[in-house]
Amino acid sequence: NAGVTQTPKFQVLKTGQSMTLQCAQDMNHNSMYWYRQDPGMGLRLIYYSASEGTTDKGEVPNGYNVSRLNKREFSLRLESAAPSQTSVYFCASSERRLTGETQYFGPGTRLLVL
Amino acid sequence: GIQVEQSPPDLILQEGANSTLRCNFSDSVNNLQWFHQNPWGQLINLFYIPSGTKQNGRLSATTVATERYSLLYISSSQTTDSGVYFCAVSSTSGTYKYIFGTGTRLKVLA
Repeated sequence: NAGVTQTPKFQVLKTGQSMTLQCAQDMNHNSMYWYRQDPGMGLRLIYYSASEGTTDKGEVPNGYNVSRLNKREFSLRLESAAPSQTSVYFCASSERRLTGETQYFGPGTRLLVL
Repeated sequence: GIQVEQSPPDLILQEGANSTLRCNFSDSVNNLQWFHQNPWGQLINLFYIPSGTKQNGRLSATTVATERYSLLYISSSQTTDSGVYFCAVSSTSGTYKYIFGTGTRLKVLA
């Protein structure tokens, strides 16, 4: 099992360009998440999808859109990139069970917006 | 919204020492997780522990939900324990919306 995979690993954009970050999981999890991590800080939730067909805003959704394409895939789109969106982006998935919930993270995408 | 504070922000230990990391939160929670981010950036879940005590090898965690804090204990630390430790919580009113603390950066010296 690959777990959670993210593409690309690294990307440089110019201000105003658009791009889509891809995330896929092979653990058959219902829930998926997108976070951003800025230097020296914890992760902040951008959007999440509790189950296939649903998405909801997190802490910092402005400037982003998401698509839960199917149960495996959850993409994050920047329509018009800004320097403030320079960050490391992590995708995660989880399954809620009676015993609890464990989030599994992808390796991250480093995004630099010039 | 719920606030999460971690202490200490930085910690340097000699190999073999023990340490306690603390996570305080400002509201009732229905989920609490501890994570380790290694020096290469990979995030690994350590514990799911909204209440009670759990142990996994040299690591253990305790959450006292009524007093709104959680502790992560690392015993006999090793250089591979270096990295940043985060706690993340979701409040009873914000299911699935996890709020992360700013982390404790741990460096273990050989």
